[in-house]
Amino acid sequence: DTGVSQDPRHKITKRGQNVTFRCDPISEHNRLYWYRQTLGQGPEFLTYFQNEAQLEKSRLLSDRFSAERPKGSFSTLEIQRTEQGDSAMYLCASSLGRDRETFGEGSWLTVV
Amino acid sequence: LAKTTQPISMDSYEGQEVNITCSHNNIATNDYITWYQQFPSQGPRFIIQGYKTKVTNEVASLFIPADRKSSTLSLPRVSLSDTAVYYCLVGGFTGTASKLTFGTGTRLQVTL
Repeated sequence: DTGVSQDPRHKITKRGQNVTFRCDPISEHNRLYWYRQTLGQGPEFLTYFQNEAQLEKSRLLSDRFSAERPKGSFSTLEIQRTEQGDSAMYLCASSLGRDRETFGEGSWLTVV
Repeated sequence: LAKTTQPISMDSYEGQEVNITCSHNNIATNDYITWYQQFPSQGPRFIIQGYKTKVTNEVASLFIPADRKSSTLSLPRVSLSDTAVYYCLVGGFTGTASKLTFGTGTRLQVTL
């Protein structure tokens, strides 16, 4: 069990650029979640995959955001045309079925 | 998901027992109560989960009264390394997706 890995840990980008974050879940976990966390707030749910199927998306996930999980393994979260309001930590978590979620260390995004 | 209310912050001295109480008046029959710990710039880490009465593990105890409208996380003999944000969550783990709903949490500051 190597834990949930996220890459990159930090990203600084100019407004309007696209960014992509990758999440590698714990290998046997079939569920994968993305959350967003801003300073002083708790994490907010963005979206959820069971295997390769994206089963739920929060209304926080605007059309500039897209997430994929090809082959039910790693996942990517892409943000197009970034805005300053997208600056946050993006957290990935995974679980085996209904078991508790294990979080990664997060990917910090700063949009300048 | 049931809304939770917990103190914004708490202070403690090293070696003391810390009790953090969370209110969840609208908890549903199928809801579990889960506590997570989060250090700065890290993802949340699972501490303990319970449904009713008392649960104890190697790091904490969770007390849940019969009406389940509140719960208390107890941290015995805290150390400086317990300085973190503690989140109380209800729900999850029994439906199709846990989709954790975090509040703003309780910031615990432990000093010498």
